Amino acid sequence: AQSVTQLGSHVSVSEGALVLLRCNYSSSVPPYLFWYVQYPNQGLQLLLKYTSAATLVKGINGFEAEFKKSETSFHLTKPSAHMSDAAEYFCAVTFPGGGNKLTFGTGTQLKVEL
Amino acid sequence: DAGVTQSPTHLIKTRGQQVTLRCSPISGHKSVSWYQQVLGQGPQFIFQYYEKEERGRGNFPDRFSARQFPNYSSELNVNALLLGDSALYLCASSLQFIGTGGYEQYFGPGTRLTVT
Repeated sequence: AQSVTQLGSHVSVSEGALVLLRCNYSSSVPPYLFWYVQYPNQGLQLLLKYTSAATLVKGINGFEAEFKKSETSFHLTKPSAHMSDAAEYFCAVTFPGGGNKLTFGTGTQLKVEL
Repeated sequence: DAGVTQSPTHLIKTRGQQVTLRCSPISGHKSVSWYQQVLGQGPQFIFQYYEKEERGRGNFPDRFSARQFPNYSSELNVNALLLGDSALYLCASSLQFIGTGGYEQYFGPGTRLTVT
């Protein structure tokens, strides 16, 4: 079955430290991959997407993600965390032939500490 | 440019009642999707519409229905509400619909539905 998994429901980092949020997918064919961020009591904001062009994708707010087919991963990173990055992050996929139906992971809550 | 708008922001209903949620997509976007986000979970796909036609349906009971209007706005209807329907209902719009996927979807702020 096609699915997406986010490892770590809660991640805590110090301000200025590297942010690494993990996402793995399961699919027989490479999917389209997205990262969204959700601030409290708000909708989802698109951070970045991978659609089979460059494997390293740069997004907004200094985030980037690398598609690794051999590892079926699409981890989200940011070199230096800021307090404003505290939010919930969702990895999502659409699978070829599945239309634009987004399948979401369970989310990772990022906490940034001083 | 205005983003995706949803109304109402919050709603409280009683079990057994019916509710209608509304969504206006980004100007120029022709596809609208609905998602349900239960507290502490990722959003779950309910419906997708493109050019007023249903293009996808998630694993939800027939109590859930939707439609898209000629101006591309959309309504989600839920009948015979259950306590488990309490959730944030998110609407997303995209420029087009492609069967192979890959189009960016932009989300509205959601409607928080509480069923008591």
